Amino acid sequence: AQSVTQLDSQVPVFEEAPVELRCNYSSSVSVYLFWYVQYPNQGLQLLLKYLSGSTLVKGINGFEAEFNKSQTSFHLRKPSVHISDTAEYFCAVSWNSGGSNYKLTFGKGTLLTVNP
Amino acid sequence: NAGVMQNPRHLVRRRGQEARLRCSPMKGHSHVYWYRQLPEEGLKFMVYLQKENIIDESGMPKERFSAEFPKEGPSILRIQQVVRGDSAAYFCASSPQGNGATNEKLFFGSGTQLSVL
Repeated sequence: AQSVTQLDSQVPVFEEAPVELRCNYSSSVSVYLFWYVQYPNQGLQLLLKYLSGSTLVKGINGFEAEFNKSQTSFHLRKPSVHISDTAEYFCAVSWNSGGSNYKLTFGKGTLLTVNP
Repeated sequence: NAGVMQNPRHLVRRRGQEARLRCSPMKGHSHVYWYRQLPEEGLKFMVYLQKENIIDESGMPKERFSAEFPKEGPSILRIQQVVRGDSAAYFCASSPQGNGATNEKLFFGSGTQLSVL
């Protein structure tokens, strides 16, 4: 079965430090890749997505991610975090096969906590 | 333009009762998707509906769970005879077209937290 792995369940960092949240997925066939953020008591919000083209994708709030096909990874990075970035981050994949590209498979999430 | 609205935000049921979760998609969206997040798990796809049609229910448990999206009104996820294992956060998303995952206009609601006592 296709799966998405977020290697860190929690990542504590200090304000203004860089951060990388890791994501790997199980298959190298054609995929669409996403990062979502969930702030407390809110719905999921799309941070960025990779559909095709440049492997470096820039999203909102200064986040970016790089698609690495050979390593089946899509790690999320930010060079300098703010306290307001404290949230749960979800990596998600849609496999472009069988006409089911409406379906997302999510990782378990990474709780990013930014401390002053 | 209101976002995807889910209610209630929190729902408490005793074992054996029925749970009804509602999802009102964004205006102009006719495609609805339900996901379930069990404790310490990622969101898992349950069902995809268009108005009056179930397109894909491959993620729905075979018994006790049903979903509908009528011509008028919100989408309803119904769980009959709830058990403790049904305790989870249930998220709804909507999109204007069927390629929901790749469509940048896919939006999620804030979820309904179901607790079964």
